[in-house]
Amino acid sequence: DIQMTQSPSSLSASVGDRVTITCQASQDIRDYLIWYQQKPGRAPKLLIYDASNLETGVPSRFSGSGSGTRFTFTISSLQPEDIATYYCQHYDSLPLTFGGGTRVEIK
Amino acid sequence: QVQLVESGGGVVQPGGSLRLSCAASGFRFSNYGLHWVRQAPGKGLEWLTFIRYDGSMQYYADSVKGRFTISRDNSKNTLYLEMNSLRSEDTAFYYCAKDRGWELVHPAYFDFWGQGALVTVSS
Repeated sequence: DIQMTQSPSSLSASVGDRVTITCQASQDIRDYLIWYQQKPGRAPKLLIYDASNLETGVPSRFSGSGSGTRFTFTISSLQPEDIATYYCQHYDSLPLTFGGGTRVEIK
Repeated sequence: QVQLVESGGGVVQPGGSLRLSCAASGFRFSNYGLHWVRQAPGKGLEWLTFIRYDGSMQYYADSVKGRFTISRDNSKNTLYLEMNSLRSEDTAFYYCAKDRGWELVHPAYFDFWGQGALVTVSS
């Protein structure tokens, strides 16, 4: 199974800050990498697909990059509504697996 | 718009069985693969199973293989998850999720999710 390692597991930042989350795959997954946002008590929401493509309707302050084994997710200017847990997920092979999540809080 | 509504969650004893349903609307149900994903309270996400758009193939995570069965009824726009031999570690919110790809034969990722159904396995 491909292991997805996310870091940090949590972070606290101020409104307007740039926030970066990394996701490392245990083997090459090309660009088959997805980012989701999950707000408390809600289902996850698709933000980024194929490592760097912004889902329709998602604000442009969210972005993703990377390929192979190392990926980055960025919020260019943190907003109060971005408080959530963010997960990466690969779909290179079965089983589909997720990173452990990064909880983002406002300082 | 796309809607996925799970039902059938509840409390069940260890070793027991439960069937979840997921009623879908807002998209061409018979042209998309579907998944079940779970999340133990306060924990991360775990993919469980996928069924192809036509029901011809199913894939399972090792943690549920042989105990859980995914199925679908394209005439009723409904997805199912039959869960047997339930264990305490199966306690979780269970989400049905739509795959992104039109008539894809391999699972990919999830563009819409239901609100989740809570399954509690406890004596």
